[in-house]
Amino acid sequence: DAGVIQSPRHEVTEMGQEVTLRCKPISGHNSLFWYRQTMMRGLELLIYFNNNVPIDDSGMPEDRFSAKMPNASFSTLKIQPSEPRDSAVYFCASSRRGRGGELFFGEGSRLTVL
Amino acid sequence: AQTVTQSQPEMSVQEAETVTLSCTYDTSESDYYLFWYKQPPSRQMILVIRQEAYKQQNATENRFSVNFQKAAKSFSLKISDSQLGDAAMYFCAYRSEGGADGLTFGKGTHLIIQP
Repeated sequence: DAGVIQSPRHEVTEMGQEVTLRCKPISGHNSLFWYRQTMMRGLELLIYFNNNVPIDDSGMPEDRFSAKMPNASFSTLKIQPSEPRDSAVYFCASSRRGRGGELFFGEGSRLTVL
Repeated sequence: AQTVTQSQPEMSVQEAETVTLSCTYDTSESDYYLFWYKQPPSRQMILVIRQEAYKQQNATENRFSVNFQKAAKSFSLKISDSQLGDAAMYFCAYRSEGGADGLTFGKGTHLIIQP
């Protein structure tokens, strides 16, 4: 089975530009999570969805960040406008509720904002 | 809110030796899951081992085992016969039994394997 698929793997952009990160969860998983990893703050949960519905976005740093999950097989995380402090690795993960609690992670998208 | 603490930013071990990574957590829940994830330089997050809080028996996966002390809220990872491929960041993580709200991670321990 295919794992969690994220794109792009690397993104370099200039301050003020819009950035869209994409995620395809594992088929059959009904929970999806977006994490951000930085040296200073470690792994932070930004937002998560259950059955395509956003449940908690309290981790989203500010209004410049938004996430959607239009269907069970696709999610996006958008930053508009981007700033240098948004530079980080963004992970998408999925899980099946009630099945041992394990999250399966994508390979991450490394974002650099100049 | 739950918190996870890894007090060792970096550990070093000789190849073939044994090393233990520490993790403590804080929760008011009685049922939950604990995990150790490995993140090599490729940055892929790889599950190493999982422990259900209701199980008294410590989990083991080949050379990896845990010492789960529920009352002390401690969850350490022991790596036996360390190999060069074990070099990575190791993250301890907590998840509620309901599982709806994702993992809470510690800050990580950077494990160095000396040849």
